[in-house]
Amino acid sequence: GAVVSQHPSWVICKSGTSVKIECRSLDFQATTMFWYRQFPKQSLMLMATSNEGSKATYEQGVEKDKFLINHASLTLSTLTVTSAHPEDSSFYICSAYSGRVADTQYFGPGTRLTVL
Amino acid sequence: KQEVTQIPAALSVPEGENLVLNCSFTDSAIYNLQWFRQDPGKGLTSLLLIQSSQREQTSGRLNASLDKSSGRSTLYIAASQPGDSATYLCAADTSGTYKYIFGTGTRLKVLA
Repeated sequence: GAVVSQHPSWVICKSGTSVKIECRSLDFQATTMFWYRQFPKQSLMLMATSNEGSKATYEQGVEKDKFLINHASLTLSTLTVTSAHPEDSSFYICSAYSGRVADTQYFGPGTRLTVL
Repeated sequence: KQEVTQIPAALSVPEGENLVLNCSFTDSAIYNLQWFRQDPGKGLTSLLLIQSSQREQTSGRLNASLDKSSGRSTLYIAASQPGDSATYLCAADTSGTYKYIFGTGTRLKVLA
């Protein structure tokens, strides 16, 4: 079946630094990728929708200048957390959708970010 | 705005019991509803996806139903096993493009 990978699987960084998380669709072209965030003991919250070649659409309350999303190709989307702070520590999960493969979407394994 | 809630928030049952997890959504205009399993610190495993035109889906010991008019879905787990212990999430697609609104989750513990 289709596979979505995320890199890194976990990252620890100092406050004030920027962190980039990659989401790749390994064997299909993803027209749309979604980024979710999950705080401890909470459910997933949609952050933004990313379509290849266009600007991401952010959900209400998500700062687009802080969470930079780039979807440069049909197989790669990146989320950069700029000037990370401890409150950005979370589990970040992407999902990829392609109506061409099958009318469904696939979730990545997630990236755990810890900001010290 | 779509809101998805799950009851109960946590559940502990002895092995072998049949159980039902509940999911409620406020806006019945959904395209599909999906149930996921999440193990601690891990990503999501899709269990069952129900399209808006369907009433239920089955996979092995799992059965999910969907009642759009009442804004409810249930996940039935038969003959529960310790390996079923996980958090179960339901999610509603309100756009037709798998942009999901997730429920609050039910933490299930099956005791051996």
